[in-house]
Amino acid sequence: AQKITQTQPGMFVQEKEAVTLDCTYDTSDPSYGLFWYKQPSSGEMIFLIYQGSYDQQNATEGRYSLNFQKARKSANLVISASQLGDSAMYFCAMRVGGSGGSNYKLTFGKGTLLTVNP
Amino acid sequence: NAGVTQTPKFQVLKTGQSMTLQCAQDMNHEYMSWYRQDPGMGLRLIHYSVGAGITDQGEVPNGYNVSRSTTEDFPLRLLSAAPSQTSVYFCASSYFGTTNEKLFFGSGTQLSVL
Repeated sequence: AQKITQTQPGMFVQEKEAVTLDCTYDTSDPSYGLFWYKQPSSGEMIFLIYQGSYDQQNATEGRYSLNFQKARKSANLVISASQLGDSAMYFCAMRVGGSGGSNYKLTFGKGTLLTVNP
Repeated sequence: NAGVTQTPKFQVLKTGQSMTLQCAQDMNHEYMSWYRQDPGMGLRLIHYSVGAGITDQGEVPNGYNVSRSTTEDFPLRLLSAAPSQTSVYFCASSYFGTTNEKLFFGSGTQLSVL
């Protein structure tokens, strides 16, 4: 069974500083994808970044980067130059296997609540 | 530019009542799914569908039914609501492809069962 673990229920960061949100995963399938979603207080789920298990380089999307350490099964999200608008719940998620219906399920972690202080 | 549309946004039920949460997407996505979000639990998969006429159970299917008669619609039915079903429900869809196909989420339905 696949599992995602986010060990930080809450994190605080000062505006303009960088912050790392931890995510570890467990799967025996060599083919998988890792996602990060942001959920602001308004409730919508916003896709941030994706990392594939076969990707050679760490994914980056603007101020977001994914620190992918395959041997350690970790996929930490790094937010650079934090902004007040980054205050939100952040979820790490994983999909395993190639194409095929039953392999399309996304398993989520419990989330980390990030608060950016001015 | 609708994406995934969920209705209603809010609903209050009494124990034992039934209702249907609606979900529609206009992106011709093959895959659709329902999640529930509870405090401290993250999102948990209730049911999913890989195409019209095909549905399967997720992690927490008990008390919920789904059907997929069209590509666009994937309603979630609560047959006899219980307080334990108080939660925020999200419908999500995606293309089939490789593992990099992200889920597109609806805006959620906040359900309270009294």
